[in-house]
Amino acid sequence: DAGITQSPRHKVTETGTPVTLRCHQTENHRYMYWYRQDPGHGLRLIHYSYGVKDTDKGEVSDGYSVSRSKTEDFLLTLESATSSQTSVYFCAIGQSSGNTIYFGEGSWLTVV
Amino acid sequence: DAKTTQPNSMESNEEEPVHLPCNHSTISGTDYIHWYRQLPSQGPEYVIHGLTSNVNNRMASLAIAEDRKSSTLILHRATLRDAAVYYCIPHIIQGAQKLVFGQGTRLTINP
Repeated sequence: DAGITQSPRHKVTETGTPVTLRCHQTENHRYMYWYRQDPGHGLRLIHYSYGVKDTDKGEVSDGYSVSRSKTEDFLLTLESATSSQTSVYFCAIGQSSGNTIYFGEGSWLTVV
Repeated sequence: DAKTTQPNSMESNEEEPVHLPCNHSTISGTDYIHWYRQLPSQGPEYVIHGLTSNVNNRMASLAIAEDRKSSTLILHRATLRDAAVYYCIPHIIQGAQKLVFGQGTRLTINP
């Protein structure tokens, strides 16, 4: 199994509060990704990173920010959580010229 | 990104072969065809990928049409553990793998 750890795995938070999800890898892969998965929408890319301090937006980036200060960590922050951000969040990693990306086990976030 | 069409669901019996089709008629010449699957309550996992030739690995085989507008993922002998949602994703293999997941095919395996 790829060395990917997501934390927290489960969180319930209130509308308007900030939330940070952490993705930690032990594989030294260049690329890291955050996806969200909702019923009826499948997996959608939020943000991705192609190196330390290098990030870019994905398909559904509004309301989210990311940071990558170290190769191994990619943080996803919801500055002010809304109920529409209730979802399952998956982190993924990939090599520079690889064909495979590896997903974490997911973080279940509920915003009430 | 190339648009893909997959059946919403398929059903098969344990220990029988399963053929999962995917249409990707707008695929570009540099796109590989990737297959991922997602077991219940888990993140997606890589299954196989190919460009033009048929490909085999320990998990499955990938048959690619000569015009590359369609492909078929073949599970030679399905087990209960193969019950999952299977995604067909055309994408290049250089750089960031910003994979676009469609709805996939939900495969049910009957004992």
